[in-house]
Amino acid sequence: EVQLVESGGGFVKPGGSLRLSCVGSGFNFTNGWMNWVRQAPGKGLEWVGRIKNKDAGWRADYAAPVKGRFTISRDDSTNTLYLTMNTLETEDTAVYYCTTETLSWGQGALVTVSS
Amino acid sequence: DIVMTQSPDSLAVSLGERATINCKSSQSVLYSSNSKNYLAWYQQKPGQPPNLLIYWASTRESGVPDRFSGSGSGTDFTLTIRSLQAEDVAVYYCQQYYSTRWTFGQGTKVEIK
Repeated sequence: EVQLVESGGGFVKPGGSLRLSCVGSGFNFTNGWMNWVRQAPGKGLEWVGRIKNKDAGWRADYAAPVKGRFTISRDDSTNTLYLTMNTLETEDTAVYYCTTETLSWGQGALVTVSS
Repeated sequence: DIVMTQSPDSLAVSLGERATINCKSSQSVLYSSNSKNYLAWYQQKPGQPPNLLIYWASTRESGVPDRFSGSGSGTDFTLTIRSLQAEDVAVYYCQQYYSTRWTFGQGTKVEIK
């Protein structure tokens, strides 16, 4: 059974930084492409970005609102996906989900950006 | 980016009746080389992550009740709940995974009439 467990969420002031982690199990993490999707309170789902696997050069792509501020990385030795968020804005307040390319989702991590 | 538009935004259906949600994509999500539509449907209840119901437009995820079905191809898709149960009250989203940049419909809220 695929399991994805996010951690690292919390409260941060505008302009601050935060790093989310997502540990995967029950599937071949090393070969998988991984995504981050977020959901602002009371709103819909928004794709944040994706990182490919080693064979694809670990290339990452980002949605326009986060490009240049967010970085997706991975550590295949520990089956861990990361989302490093810098220069956070109040509009980044959301639950952040990690997902596999085969559409399995974690439980999410809440990030609140407020002064 | 591919724009996904759902209709209606909300609907109220009597218990045991049929609920139908439509999803339209701004461009085809049918991949010609494998004839698969890269379209998924999710159910989301308050405080929970989205729950995958349907993928490849019409393949039911393991464990999903057979009253849920998906249909359509190309740019027009439908999620049907054959006989609405109380536990089906939720928001439903369609998603395209055809392009690198996944996009989602705005959601349809299903309630009991």
